[in-house]
Amino acid sequence: NAGVTQTPKFQVLKTGQSMTLQCAQDMNHEYMSWYRQDPGMGLRLIHYSVGAGITDQGEVPNGYNVSRSTTEDFPLRLLSAAPSQTSVYFCASRRRGGSYNEQFFGPGTRLTVL
Amino acid sequence: GQQLNQSPQSMFIQEGEDVSMNCTSSSIFNTWLWYKQDPGEGPVLLIALYKAGELTSNGRLTAQFGITRKDSFLNISASIPSDVGIYFCAGSGNQFYFGTGTSLTVIP
Repeated sequence: NAGVTQTPKFQVLKTGQSMTLQCAQDMNHEYMSWYRQDPGMGLRLIHYSVGAGITDQGEVPNGYNVSRSTTEDFPLRLLSAAPSQTSVYFCASRRRGGSYNEQFFGPGTRLTVL
Repeated sequence: GQQLNQSPQSMFIQEGEDVSMNCTSSSIFNTWLWYKQDPGEGPVLLIALYKAGELTSNGRLTAQFGITRKDSFLNISASIPSDVGIYFCAGSGNQFYFGTGTSLTVIP
């Protein structure tokens, strides 16, 4: 299993540009999430999905859109990039329900907005 | 959103020493998880704990789920240079909440 994969690994955008961060998992996990990581702030939840066709907002959703058309993929869209969105973005997945609640992370996308 | 109180923020230790770090919360969690993050990489799951009082080991790492379900501890014995990195705790109920990390430096 590849686990959770993310592309691109690095990206530089100009203010106002749009882009999509890709995330895929091959573990058949129902739950998928997007987090951003900023110095001194820990991991903050942007959006999450409990299954195909179902998404919801996390703690810091403004400026981001998501969709979940398949179990495997959970792309994150920046509609109009702003310097405040400079961060490291992590996608994560886990099983739904059951006794085990282990969340697995991708390698991250490092985004700089100029 | 809630963040967990993780301490210490950073540690500088000699190779071979033992390390202890902890995480506390104002909320009760069903699961406590410990992750390690190397520079430029994503967090990697080290240990998962599911029951209050549970003590679980993974090699030189030992973690405990506090009796009150509001805290957890991670110990690393006989540290080696590759233990360098940032260690995060995470608590889970319906959502996941993360600590701000403990940065560990091991001096050879």
